[in-house]
Amino acid sequence: DQQVKQNSPSLSVQEGRISILNCDYTNSMFDYFLWYKKYPAEGPTFLISISSIKDKNEDGRFTVFLNKSAKHLSLHIVPSQPGDSAVYFCAASADNTNAGKSTFGDGTTLTVKP
Amino acid sequence: NAGVMQNPRHLVRRRGQEARLRCSPMKGHSHVYWYRQLPEEGLKFMVYLQKENIIDESGMPKERFSAEFPKEGPSILRIQQVVRGDSAAYFCASSPRNRLGGYTFGSGTRLTVV
Repeated sequence: DQQVKQNSPSLSVQEGRISILNCDYTNSMFDYFLWYKKYPAEGPTFLISISSIKDKNEDGRFTVFLNKSAKHLSLHIVPSQPGDSAVYFCAASADNTNAGKSTFGDGTTLTVKP
Repeated sequence: NAGVMQNPRHLVRRRGQEARLRCSPMKGHSHVYWYRQLPEEGLKFMVYLQKENIIDESGMPKERFSAEFPKEGPSILRIQQVVRGDSAAYFCASSPRNRLGGYTFGSGTRLTVV
């Protein structure tokens, strides 16, 4: 049973346009959500997070939206740049005694075309 | 301040051999998390350690896998009698304390079992 799902394996966007990456979860105990970016042969890099008490968090070009009733979150990148091309992972945490124990989705490969 | 260092970057083992993966956390970090990424999948939590203690090993396979984080030196993930299904990328992350938030990951060790 996959508790965090990223249903789009890939997304292609033109440079300068908006990229929207989606993530759905099933475990209502999740209360903290994160997005990581990963380049080939590197470890994931933390991008942005959101607590379940919020519905939006913004950091520069990156905004994460959380819809708790739908158990859905999304990452918006505006404007998209070629350097944003990478695999994006959504992750969720529920365990304050082990805050690093995140459940990851399978990732969405974003390609930003010049 | 060096990031999380993992070595080796690539490790090839024959079936039945032992694999030892090392993770040196960031300076000042005493919490280490190990994750495994199978091809085309997201990262899966394996184990959470503090210095000289295993805090949560709920993601570790019951046999052949062990982890330690001694008082001195790096954290070690040990896989005995490797099988082809152990081929994966193994990542570690570190943190100064148990906290919600994005974690710093190493670049990973890619284990190939032949």
